[in-house]
Formats: sequence, C-alpha cells, structure tokens
Amino acid sequence: GQQLNQSPQSMFIQEGEDVSMNCTSSSIFNTWLWYKQEPGEGPVLLIALYKAGELTSNGRLTAQFGITRKDSFLNISASIPSDVGIYFCAGSAGGTSYGKLTFGQGTILTVHP
Amino acid sequence: DGGITQSPKYLFRKEGQNVTLSCEQNLNHDAMYWYRQDPGQGLRLIYYSQIVNDFQKGDIAEGYSVSREKKESFPLTVTSAQKNPTAFYLCASRDRGVSNEKLFFGSGTQLSVL
Repeated sequence: GQQLNQSPQSMFIQEGEDVSMNCTSSSIFNTWLWYKQEPGEGPVLLIALYKAGELTSNGRLTAQFGITRKDSFLNISASIPSDVGIYFCAGSAGGTSYGKLTFGQGTILTVHP
Repeated sequence: DGGITQSPKYLFRKEGQNVTLSCEQNLNHDAMYWYRQDPGQGLRLIYYSQIVNDFQKGDIAEGYSVSREKKESFPLTVTSAQKNPTAFYLCASRDRGVSNEKLFFGSGTQLSVL
C-alpha cells in the first residue's frame, strides 16, 4: 500500500519559536490534509490542500502542497503552549481511492513556556 | 450540535469475547470510516462505507466486522479472531456530495484486553 513518511517524529521547542514538519509519499497524491490530535481525542482538521504548489494558511499555520505531488509541509509560527499535540499529515490519491486517506505516523509537538 | 458520537469512551474485552463499538453521526454524511490507532503509528483503515447497505474492507479488516443499516450509524465489532485488539479506535465521516476528501472524526474509543 501507499506509504507516508512524516518527520520529525517529535519536537521540543520553546514558546515563540517557529515549527516545521513535512510528509513524503512513495506515490502521487491529489489531496493533502493536516490534522491535530490532542490526548484521548479524535483528530481535528487544520488545513486541506488540493493543487500542486498550493499554499494555504489558517491563522499561524501554513501548509503547502509540494510541486512533485509527493510531499507536503506544515509550518507553525510563533508557537504557544496550546499548540501541543500530535500533528498528522494525510493524503489521498483520488480515483478508486477517493475518500480513503493514508496517514503519516505523526509529529509529537511539545512547547515549553 | 452536529457531529460524530462514539461510545463507549473506554471498553474492556475478555478473551474470546466479541465487543461492539458504536458510531453515530448527525451530519447527514453518506460515507463513514473506521480507523485504528496504535501508539507511535498513524491511523490505519479498518472498514469504510460509501453508502447505506454497502461497505468495503480497508487495509486491516481481519478480525473485525461492520454493518451499515442506517445512514447515521456504522457500528464496528471486534471479534475474538482479532488477537491484538488493544488500540484507540476512531470513527469518521465524509460528505460524498462535496468534492473534497475531508474526514471528520469522533472522539474515539479506547479498547483494552482484560
């Protein structure tokens, strides 16, 4: 099946720092999604990307759909303690796989006040 | 409020026992999904249903069963054939009428083996 490699696996940062994480796929995706999950809860959608090269922001979060269609990036600017959680990328190849997302392993973010 | 409700939040299974996890949505979404989450891993697809009375196996369907008798409900049964059932189970739904692939998730059920 499709593989998604997400990095880094974990990050420990100081409040106010910027954060970058990325996902790489073994095959082309038509859609990239970024989710945040807090302990004991389900993932919450942050940003959705649908075109190669697309750059989309949601507050302090910015995500990009890589031009090769095999990668995506998420940046968080000026981190705050409530940014703590696990961030997942997810992708879909569309077609017969429409609606079936493949997830990365997650990036655990810890923010020190 | 519209959303996806999973119950129970915590569930314990004895050896050889089947257990059923509930998932109900009032978003009027056609498609529903079950994912399994293990520590340090991404979400893996168990089963999905694009429409009532139809469902398909995902990547790790062995030891699980589902039904889709109503649009708003998609229960998952973890059977005794699933030898390693301890995990966090997530239900999700999607609006097939909209041309996007956004999944919306419930708050999950933690299943543990006694």
